[in-house]
Amino acid sequence: DAGVIQSPRHEVTEMGQEVTLRCKPISGHNSLFWYRQTMMRGLELLIYFNNNVPIDDSGMPEDRFSAKMPNASFSTLKIQPSEPRDSAVYFCASNKGTEAFFGQGTRLTVV
Amino acid sequence: AQSVTQLGSHVSVSEGALVLLRCNYSSSVPPYLFWYVQYPNQGLQLLLKYTSAATLVKGINGFEAEFKKSETSFHLTKPSAHMSDAAEYFCAVSARGGSNYKLTFGKGTLLTVNP
Repeated sequence: DAGVIQSPRHEVTEMGQEVTLRCKPISGHNSLFWYRQTMMRGLELLIYFNNNVPIDDSGMPEDRFSAKMPNASFSTLKIQPSEPRDSAVYFCASNKGTEAFFGQGTRLTVV
Repeated sequence: AQSVTQLGSHVSVSEGALVLLRCNYSSSVPPYLFWYVQYPNQGLQLLLKYTSAATLVKGINGFEAEFKKSETSFHLTKPSAHMSDAAEYFCAVSARGGSNYKLTFGKGTLLTVNP
């Protein structure tokens, strides 16, 4: 298995632009998580899905952030409009039982 | 609510020396506990996990951790550090039960190994 696949690996965008991050979980995993990593706040859970259904989005910073999981093999995290404080590494993870498998992350820079 | 505290944001050891990374947790219910490792520009990789009655857990790359309920601790150790162990290490906790194993992470400990 190729593991959790995230794209793009790096994204540089201008403030105010829409950004879409993509994730393909490992086949057969029924839970998917989006985390954000920054120097100041460490690793934070943004939202997670179980069987494609959003369960808890309390970690989403504000309405500019939205996430979808239209099917078991694809999820997106969208930021619209983006701001410089959104600059971070965004990780997607899928779970097999108690173990989370992480993607390589998307490093987002908003200038 | 659950939380994790990692004591020491940076630990430096010599190659061949003991590695000890500290983690204390707070949880209202018996938790699952994890250690993850992150190499530069990479995602997180599971080192080991505590999910059962066995309090001493062995993981990959020679690491192990001991769950001590009385001390609410889950410290990570390795008898002899190798240069390849240099990375950032994260302790994490999740709640037992259900099927949603969302993780709460500590701030991380950067391990430096000196030759």
